[in-house]
Amino acid sequence: AQSVTQLGSHVSVSEGALVLLRCNYSSSVPPYLFWYVQYPNQGLQLLLKYTSAATLVKGINGFEAEFKKSETSFHLTKPSAHMSDAAEYFCAVTSNTGNQFYFGTGTSLTVIP
Amino acid sequence: DSGVTQTPKHLITATGQRVTLRCSPRSGDLSVYWYQQSLDQGLQFLIQYYNGEERAKGNILERFSAQQFPDLHSELNLSSLELGDSALYFCASSVDRPGGSGELFFGEGSRLTVL
Repeated sequence: AQSVTQLGSHVSVSEGALVLLRCNYSSSVPPYLFWYVQYPNQGLQLLLKYTSAATLVKGINGFEAEFKKSETSFHLTKPSAHMSDAAEYFCAVTSNTGNQFYFGTGTSLTVIP
Repeated sequence: DSGVTQTPKHLITATGQRVTLRCSPRSGDLSVYWYQQSLDQGLQFLIQYYNGEERAKGNILERFSAQQFPDLHSELNLSSLELGDSALYFCASSVDRPGGSGELFFGEGSRLTVL
């Protein structure tokens, strides 16, 4: 089965600083990779997804992620953090059949004014 | 708005009781997934249904059961409730067929509090 590791359960950045949230998946290349965001008291929303069309994926709210097969990584970045980015972020991958989803344990992002 | 509807949004009940959570997937989505989110366990996959049939089972307790009806809505039944069952329960749906986008669309969750 696939697995996902998110390094750092809590990340703090200053407003305007670079956001980097790390995600590594297990060795077999999954069909789809995702980043979801969860704001307080809300459900998860899709930020972006990788479907093998391009290794650099752009998502909503200025976020992007790069798929690196050699590093089995799919890290999420944003050049300049905004206060509204404070939320929980989840990385997820699908099974090889594409119909089962495996989520990381989440990273809580705090943005310091 | 993801298009996935969950009811009720909040539920408070006592230990030993039984509750039913309901989910209506996005129009056209055949797969429904149930997740439990708690502070100490994170986001845990419970069970998946595809077009009325159980497809995958995760960390679902025997006290819990689910089903998907012909109109594709799903219900999660939680019985003999314990304090530790207090959590946010999410339903998600996906297209899950060739040519589909592949992502999960989440509802806003049902927050269960067991007293």
